[in-house]
Amino acid sequence: DTEVTQTPKHLVMGMTNKKSLKCEQHMGHRAMYWYKQKAKKPPELMFVYSYEKLSINESVPSRFSPECPNSSLLNLHLHALQPEDSALYLCASSQDVRGQNYGYTFGSGTRLTVV
Amino acid sequence: AQTVTQSQPEMSVQEAETVTLSCTYDTSESDYYLFWYKQPPSRQMILVIRQEAYKQQNATENRFSVNFQKAAKSFSLKISDSQLGDAAMYFCAYRASGSRLTFGEGTQLTVNP
Repeated sequence: DTEVTQTPKHLVMGMTNKKSLKCEQHMGHRAMYWYKQKAKKPPELMFVYSYEKLSINESVPSRFSPECPNSSLLNLHLHALQPEDSALYLCASSQDVRGQNYGYTFGSGTRLTVV
Repeated sequence: AQTVTQSQPEMSVQEAETVTLSCTYDTSESDYYLFWYKQPPSRQMILVIRQEAYKQQNATENRFSVNFQKAAKSFSLKISDSQLGDAAMYFCAYRASGSRLTFGEGTQLTVNP
């Protein structure tokens, strides 16, 4: 299995809703990442998990809450989002945070719309 | 800090022709990797090709090849025999050991039939 699987593919939520994005990989990668991507822009790093521990939080607002329950699974919990949070949310994984050899493997993303 | 620059926001090519996408980067590291990612409308970021900085030989993957000029800090992507399926946003990216993946701003490639 050489994929990163993200669910759901599309999500529409109100500003008072609570929802979660899910990311799963079975490649034995020990680093997992959440990115936010606006149209025609490069992905922006949000969080990095290394060996199931949060290692980087890029000053992301607390309405985004990441969770790594095990080495294969990464969640992003969403609460009280704003319309400007509408974007494509990408998950990625790599062998570990230090090894640069193979780049990252990306999922196909969740298209989030906040209404 | 490392930076990656893609100076061509948009490019177009005729089907079956060759196109070259430019990328330059700035780093003080000696050991690093460079990547080209493709993001079609389906949204998934797909690794097209990678280059190890310590290797002088340019990487090739079928119709995709790079021109890596380490001294000039240049890493261009050549697509030969362009196909309609090559239409996508292309991101150049850099990563040194222990650091995160740094992306350029992207080049939107259109392939005309």
